[in-house]
Amino acid sequence: KAGVTQTPRYLIKTRGQQVTLSCSPISGHRSVSWYQQTPGQGLQFLFEYFSETQRNKGNFPGRFSGRQFSNSRSEMNVSTLELGDSALYLCASSLSWTGANTEAFFGQGTRLTVV
Amino acid sequence: DAKTTQPPSMDCAEGRAANLPCNHSTISGNEYVYWYRQIHSQGPQYIIHGLKNNETNEMASLIITEDRKSSTLILPHATLRDTAVYYCILPPRGNNDMRFGAGTRLTVKP
Repeated sequence: KAGVTQTPRYLIKTRGQQVTLSCSPISGHRSVSWYQQTPGQGLQFLFEYFSETQRNKGNFPGRFSGRQFSNSRSEMNVSTLELGDSALYLCASSLSWTGANTEAFFGQGTRLTVV
Repeated sequence: DAKTTQPPSMDCAEGRAANLPCNHSTISGNEYVYWYRQIHSQGPQYIIHGLKNNETNEMASLIITEDRKSSTLILPHATLRDTAVYYCILPPRGNNDMRFGAGTRLTVKP
């Protein structure tokens, strides 16, 4: 069974640009969550999607957005990139939404560098 | 939000058991305790979870105290590849998200 796939693995963008990251969850999983990880802040929750609906959103500015498609694949978009957006972006998939006592499976992440 | 408390770092000799503690005094009766680990620059990996009985799988054992206010993750024969940050997590309540604390950085030494 294929795991969680995130593309691309590495990305370099310049300030002011926008970026779209993709996450394909494990087959049959309907929940996708996104996290940002930086050395100083650790793992921080961005948002969670379940059955194409955003269930929850973390404390990030509106430049960060996401969506989920009918096949459960998810994308997140960051507009007007800032240097501080450089981070490892992780996607996690689970059978149900994370409040339903179900384990999450993470992808390898996309490492975004903003220059 | 329910919170967990873990020591920031621990060392363990290769081949010995690694016992990683976690306090979760605010846990409610039907909440599971989850453990994940993150090896450098990789995505977190699910290890095990439990409610009140001890649990064991191919990766680890989980011992939960009778009052459920704390638990211990046991790696019975630690290897160098077990060097990672280990997170003890309670599932989110209601519409809250799954939050990771700082975890315990386990270093397995030869």
